[in-house]
Amino acid sequence: GAVVSQHPSRVICKSGTSVKIECRSLDFQATTMFWYRQFPKKSLMLMATSNEGSKATYEQGVEKDKFLINHASLTLSTLTVTSAHPEDSSFYICSASKGGDYGYTFGSGTRLTVV
Amino acid sequence: KQEVTQIPAALSVPEGENLVLNCSFTDSAIYNLQWFRQDPGKGLTSLLLIQSSQREQTSGRLNASLDKSSGRSTLYIAASQPGDSATYLCAVSPGYSSASKIIFGSGTRLSIRP
Repeated sequence: GAVVSQHPSRVICKSGTSVKIECRSLDFQATTMFWYRQFPKKSLMLMATSNEGSKATYEQGVEKDKFLINHASLTLSTLTVTSAHPEDSSFYICSASKGGDYGYTFGSGTRLTVV
Repeated sequence: KQEVTQIPAALSVPEGENLVLNCSFTDSAIYNLQWFRQDPGKGLTSLLLIQSSQREQTSGRLNASLDKSSGRSTLYIAASQPGDSATYLCAVSPGYSSASKIIFGSGTRLSIRP
């Protein structure tokens, strides 16, 4: 199969602090992973493409200094929300593809609440 | 620019009915199309993946078709059950590698009434 694990599933943090979200491909190597944000009752919005060993590619309008992405290994990408504000509260999901006939596999998502 | 549209945005049907969800895309140059299911507050679960060379895929009560020339895909759910209630998303992959960004439709919220 192709399994993507995401942690934590829920996190509450205070304004001004930073939060790290991990995305791991458990049974395959992923040179590329994707980070999405989802607002209530809306579809997924691609934030950035995480590239192993190089800088992430951010979508237009996404602040790269606020949403730090690190893809240090072929099985792990992290998204750090820095100096979090209440408006950063959202559902964040990562995905990766094993390629071939596997399509894209998504993590279970992280519900971030900034208070 | 590829755009993916799903109609209807919401659908409510009684249990046992067969139903069809629609997905359309503007650029027929796709690598594959994938249907996902999302339960509230959860991640996405892949239901069916159709490669560009395929016309349909089946899994249990689900059947997905692909017509690249007309830019359409349908997801057919047979004998619907309350457990099928969820949001269904289709997504197209425009590229030829696992590094290609996929493009999502806005989803169809399905509710199956007992």
